[in-house]
Amino acid sequence: DIQMTQSPSSLSASVGDKVTITCRASQGINISLAWYQQKSGKAPKSLIYDSSTLQSGVPSKFSGSGSGTDFTLTVSSLQPEDFAIYYCQQYDSYPLTFGGGTKVEIK
Amino acid sequence: QVQLVESGGGVVLPGRSLRLSCAASGFTFSYYAIHWVRQAPGKGLEWVAAISYDGSGKSYADSVKGRFTISRDNSKNTLYLQMNSLRPEDTALYHCAKDIHLFGEVMDYWGQGTLVTVSS
Repeated sequence: DIQMTQSPSSLSASVGDKVTITCRASQGINISLAWYQQKSGKAPKSLIYDSSTLQSGVPSKFSGSGSGTDFTLTVSSLQPEDFAIYYCQQYDSYPLTFGGGTKVEIK
Repeated sequence: QVQLVESGGGVVLPGRSLRLSCAASGFTFSYYAIHWVRQAPGKGLEWVAAISYDGSGKSYADSVKGRFTISRDNSKNTLYLQMNSLRPEDTALYHCAKDIHLFGEVMDYWGQGTLVTVSS
């Protein structure tokens, strides 16, 4: 199975900050990577797939990059509604696997 | 708008069975793969199973293989998860999630989930 490792597991940031989250795959997955956002008590929301393609309706302040084993999710200017847990997920091969999550908190 | 509504959760004894349902609306159900993803209390996301648009392809996490069965009824726009031989570690909020493709890869819409508690 492909293991997905996210770092950091949590971070504190201020409104307006640029935030970067890293996701590393245990083996190469090309660009078969998605990012999700989950707010407290809510269902996850899809942000990005194919490493860098924004889902419909997702604001351009979110961006993704990477290929192979190393990927990043960047939020260009953190807003109050962006404080949440972010998960990466690989779909290069079954079983599909998620990273452990990165909790973005208010500083 | 896309809606996915799960049902069927509850409290069940270890070793017993439960069947979850996911009613879909707002999109052409038969065109997309669908997933089950679970989240244990206070934990992260764990993919459970996926089924292709026509039901011909199914995949499972190792942790549930041989115990859980995913199925769908495209005439009823409904997804199912038959869970047998339940264990305490199966306790979680179970979400169904629509894929963006015919075969399971990426989830774009999620339901709110139905809670399954396995406890004696």
